[in-house]
Amino acid sequence: EIVLTQSPATLSVSPGDRATLSCRASQSVGGNLAWYQQKPGQAPRLLIYGVSSRATGIPARFSGSGSGTAFTLTISSLQSEDFAVYFCHQYDNWPQYTFGQGTKLEIK
Amino acid sequence: ELQLVQSGVEVKKPGESLRISCKGSGYDFTNYWIGWVRQMPGKGLEWVGIIYPGDSDTRYSPSFQGQVTISADKSISTAYLQWSSLKASDTATYYCARHVGMRGVVLADYWGQGTLITVSS
Repeated sequence: EIVLTQSPATLSVSPGDRATLSCRASQSVGGNLAWYQQKPGQAPRLLIYGVSSRATGIPARFSGSGSGTAFTLTISSLQSEDFAVYFCHQYDNWPQYTFGQGTKLEIK
Repeated sequence: ELQLVQSGVEVKKPGESLRISCKGSGYDFTNYWIGWVRQMPGKGLEWVGIIYPGDSDTRYSPSFQGQVTISADKSISTAYLQWSSLKASDTATYYCARHVGMRGVVLADYWGQGTLITVSS
């Protein structure tokens, strides 16, 4: 099983500032890494796929980068609606897909 | 409009059986994988398994193999997740999600609203 480790567990950031979330994989996932946003009581929403491609309707302030085993989600200028939990997800190791444990992004 | 609509909240006792559903609309249900994801209370996401309604090819994450059964009825654009004997540890919200891509590399792009299952004596 590929284990995804996200850091930090909680990130406190002020609105308008930049947030950088990390995801590290226990082995290479190639380019098959995605990021999801989840708000309380809601289903996850796809933000980024293929490491760096934004999903339909996702604002340009969200960007993904990385390769192999180390990945980053950056939110360039935090808006109030961005405070949520973020999960990374590898869809490389079929059918043993896994998610990271999540990073909670909270208002500072 | 693309939608995945899941069945409602369930409260069950240990040992009971259960089947929850996920109905797709607004797209060609037959030609997209439908996967299931578990989220235990206050916890992260766990990928359960997936089915291709077109030919019923079904795969399970090893952690869930033998614990649940995934099926689909393409004639009514509905996928199912079922248990033969529930345990308290099955208490969670279960999401279905449409997956895009080719067999082996598929990605969840649209999600259902989730079905909360509570198993308690």
